[in-house]
Amino acid sequence: QVQLVESGGGLVKPRGSLRLSCAASGFTFSDYYMTWIRQAPGKGLEWVSYISISSSYTNYADSVKGRFTISRDNAKNSLYLQMNSLRAEDTAVYYCARSKWNYDPFDYWGQGTLVTVSS
Amino acid sequence: QSVLTQPPSASGTPGQRVTISCSGSSSNIGSNTVNWYQQLPGTAPKILIYSNNQRPSGVPDRFSGSKSGTSASLAISGLQSEDEADYYCAVWDDSLKGPVFGGGTRLTVL
Repeated sequence: QVQLVESGGGLVKPRGSLRLSCAASGFTFSDYYMTWIRQAPGKGLEWVSYISISSSYTNYADSVKGRFTISRDNAKNSLYLQMNSLRAEDTAVYYCARSKWNYDPFDYWGQGTLVTVSS
Repeated sequence: QSVLTQPPSASGTPGQRVTISCSGSSSNIGSNTVNWYQQLPGTAPKILIYSNNQRPSGVPDRFSGSKSGTSASLAISGLQSEDEADYYCAVWDDSLKGPVFGGGTRLTVL
């Protein structure tokens, strides 16, 4: 069965860095676009970034552009999010999700990993 | 401030029919198909409706979606207590070149 398992969340100080991972199984990872979506405590969903199948194309929300970097390793069935210069407003549960193309619906989501930015 | 506008809350009694609206613009709902996600308390979102009105396998036919112009709606008929959740509309935005979400609607079953 399809599984997406995020890891790497935790408590980090403002201006610090963190790297999130998403381990995929149960499907052909290299056939899907992958996306990071976050949800601040008590708030709605916000798209963060997506990456194409071959990593040739990425895009970022304005709120994280220049600070976050998405990447993937198809050989390891893994998705990553390198987060630098973290701010308090980056505090959220971060979900990874898959879609056939970048404009397609997210048919599977991970369970999320919590990132807390606080001094 | 979300790109798509949803009412923050909705409610109904068991057996009733409720609708949740989602308003956007020509660069998103007006030119692309709408998806709806259900987020039960403490869990990750789950796809509920895709391509405006299609249900993934396993989703009861009590859930239906529609789209007209730059607005979309989710309807839930025969409301049940287990439908109590947050509901989000989402759609690709041609200007942002990324997906956008509504602010979410919390459905309460009275």
